[in-house]
Amino acid sequence: GAVVSQHPSWVICKSGTSVKIECRSLDFQATTMFWYRQFPKQSLMLMATSNEGSKATYEQGVEKDKFLINHASLTLSTLTVTSAHPEDSSFYICSAPRLPGELFFGEGSRLTVL
Amino acid sequence: AQSVTQLGSHVSVSEGALVLLRCNYSSSVPPYLFWYVQYPNQGLQLLLKYTSAATLVKGINGFEAEFKKSETSFHLTKPSAHMSDAAEYFCAVRAQGGSEKLVFGKGMKLTVNP
Repeated sequence: GAVVSQHPSWVICKSGTSVKIECRSLDFQATTMFWYRQFPKQSLMLMATSNEGSKATYEQGVEKDKFLINHASLTLSTLTVTSAHPEDSSFYICSAPRLPGELFFGEGSRLTVL
Repeated sequence: AQSVTQLGSHVSVSEGALVLLRCNYSSSVPPYLFWYVQYPNQGLQLLLKYTSAATLVKGINGFEAEFKKSETSFHLTKPSAHMSDAAEYFCAVRAQGGSEKLVFGKGMKLTVNP
């Protein structure tokens, strides 16, 4: 079964609203989680590294005020897309290492901004 | 820095035929290499990984890959394709001993024809 779970799987929102996506490690604790973005028919691009109890580390070119990441517990990281616009529509995937070299991915969350 | 090249975007094979998906990497330090499979609207599932032990790595669903340092390659193969193998395949790399964050290739869509 899944060891990393994301919610929601699908979300549709209006332009200008904010959307929160959750990533949970189900049977292990994760001090670090990774958030990726995948455009249609393209690869996964790392957006940021979520660190439990401290600020996330964002990749170059990713707006930290646009994509708010919170890692409040050892099993939960959240990604909030603030003031979403149609260009933010994408497939967002999180991952977490259960052991060194053993990285598990969530099922992904598809965001559509109208 | 690490990078992965997957030439082409689509491979089509007949059921029962050999599957060969190519991956070349670039890394300034010894790498760990991974192959993931993604089914439509789902997250990624690990097929296999190279972590500096055996150069020929066997994974799930009959897939295997061979690490060739001299060719900077990590090609994925399966002797006999099955219809259920139709999916998107991603090669990924990260530095040994470094962060768990992965750098992905652009992916390869595998179609299996009856």
